[in-house]
Amino acid sequence: GAVVSQHPSWVICKSGTSVKIECRSLDFQATTMFWYRQFPKQSLMLMATSNEGSKATYEQGVEKDKFLINHASLTLSTLTVTSAHPEDSSFYICSAAPYRDSTYEQYFGPGTRLTVT
Amino acid sequence: KQEVTQIPAALSVPEGENLVLNCSFTDSAIYNLQWFRQDPGKGLTSLLLIQSSQREQTSGRLNASLDKSSGRSTLYIAASQPGDSATYLCAVPNSWGKFQFGAGTQVVVTP
Repeated sequence: GAVVSQHPSWVICKSGTSVKIECRSLDFQATTMFWYRQFPKQSLMLMATSNEGSKATYEQGVEKDKFLINHASLTLSTLTVTSAHPEDSSFYICSAAPYRDSTYEQYFGPGTRLTVT
Repeated sequence: KQEVTQIPAALSVPEGENLVLNCSFTDSAIYNLQWFRQDPGKGLTSLLLIQSSQREQTSGRLNASLDKSSGRSTLYIAASQPGDSATYLCAVPNSWGKFQFGAGTQVVVTP
């Protein structure tokens, strides 16, 4: 149990285009999902917290208009990178906190590798 | 603000040796601490979760200890195998569930 999926697993897009990444909790409901970004050889950095039915909360330094987050249901959160540029190339990972539990225990998705050319 | 540090940054051992990975955190008021494994280009795999009330947690060849008062956790991997080669991350959540990750320890186990 407690499986989180991400789609796509990797994507290549051209500079200036937008790309959407999905994060799904497959066998549990998640009121809260988190989005992280990881650059090569670095650790994960939290980008934003996504709560079902409300606006996402972004960490300092993360552009909310560039990284659009939608948490439309208890099992799905999406991250849209708008007008992507090469510096947005990174590994994006989501995590989900079970509805029945606190947010201190999270289950992580497999990640999405974004390459912007 | 919670800071999480992992030492060493990289570690190379011959197969069969025991691995000792260290994680330290500055704020001892933690809810839990998790250890993860990450293979190159892959996502995170949760290895062990230690609640703040626990002193250690074991799973197979893995054992993690937690000393809140000193702000330390140690992950022990017994009888290492080449398949244990990966990056190991520790992380602690704050009261809003936001995880603070360490930079990781990159482990290479040579045959």
